[in-house]
This record gives sequence, structure tokens and C-alpha cells, in this order.
Amino acid sequence: DQQVKQNSPSLSVQEGRISILNCDYTNSMFDYFLWYKKYPAEGPTFLISISSIKDKNEDGRFTVFLNKSAKHLSLHIVPSQPGDSAVYFCAASAPSWGNLIFGKGTKLSVKP
Amino acid sequence: ETGVTQTPRHLVMGMTNKKSLKCEQHLGHNAMYWYKQSAKKPLELMFVYNFKEQTENNSVPSRFSPECPNSSHLFLHLHTLQPEDSALYLCASSQDFGGGFAGANVLTFGAGSRLTVL
Repeated sequence: DQQVKQNSPSLSVQEGRISILNCDYTNSMFDYFLWYKKYPAEGPTFLISISSIKDKNEDGRFTVFLNKSAKHLSLHIVPSQPGDSAVYFCAASAPSWGNLIFGKGTKLSVKP
Repeated sequence: ETGVTQTPRHLVMGMTNKKSLKCEQHLGHNAMYWYKQSAKKPLELMFVYNFKEQTENNSVPSRFSPECPNSSHLFLHLHTLQPEDSALYLCASSQDFGGGFAGANVLTFGAGSRLTVL
């Protein structure tokens, strides 16, 4: 059973608008969450993270929100740019685990 | 060279072949990983090495054999693979593994080796 779920395989957004990518998790032990971005023919690159002691972390156009009671996190990109078109992976880890559990990814397309 | 480098980028092999994937990291990290990415599946952790010692083997079939001669290099030896093993194999590194500091587990990935088994 998947512990990290990204239920939307794809998302299409107009340039300049907000992109919202969602992620749900099932394991309440998770205490650290990350978003990775992957372009074709490249490996995933780290984008932004959030610890479970926070409910929001912002870095430029990217903001991650964490709702622990709902076991849900989201990545907001505003304004969206065509260069943001990529696959976005949500990942989670638990104390002393070391490895990350990834979701299946959401393909974002930002149209000019 | 910087970051995590994987070679070859593409590999086609028959089921009876023996080949190896190579990964090199220039980040001074202590932990290295092999992940498998199949179509429409999450990234699957295969192996973890921390300070050259294998700490995780995620129930991977023995036809995949990892080797970590030092903390900068990681190999994945392949033999008698099956067509369903065709996937993107990603190498990654991190500063530490399970070190109690969650941020230490931020992974830096290589570009991957696209494997096709005929």
C-alpha cells in the first residue's frame, strides 16, 4: 500500500496563474516532507522541504503547506512559468529512517 | 565534475548479458543510493550504502548486485535480467543516512541510466 500518494497524474495551468500540487500520506510517523522536480532526461532535483513542526515554508515562488491533521501537503507555485513544466514528486521520511518514500509524481504543464 | 554522474545514460542488454551501471559523486557525501523508476510507479529504493557499508537492501532480486568500493563510487552489476527490469535507474547521494537530522537526507540525484532488457 502506498504511503505517499499523489492522486493527480497531471495538471495543466496557464502561465501567470497559480499551480497547486497535492500530496497525501498515511504514515503519522513521517516528520519531514520534500518536493522534487524532474525534467525529462534529468534526475530529480530538490525543490523545497518542510518539517512537521511547521505548517508553511516559502522559497520565492514556491510555498509548501502542511496539514498534519489531514495528512496532506501541497506545493503552490505562483506565478507559474513555462519553465516550471516538469514532473513533481512528493517525498516523506520518518525519524531514524534515512530513506525517503516517494509518490508517483504529478506532471505539470504550464502553457504560455 | 560536480554533483552525481551516472554512466552509461542508456543501456540495451539481452537477458543473458552481464553489464554494470556506474555512479560517482563529487559532493563529499557519506551515503549513496540506487533507486528504480518504472513507468507509472513511485521511485523504489533498491540499496543504500552509508560510509561504504550496505545498510538497506529493499528485497531486491539477486540478479542486481551493488558494489561500493569507496564513498564516492557506487556500481550496480546486472546479470540475467528480465524484460520487466527495464526502467530508469537513478543513483543518489546524501550527506548522511538516518542521522537524526531530517535535512541530512536531502538527496542529490544523477541523471539516471535508462535500461532496456530485450
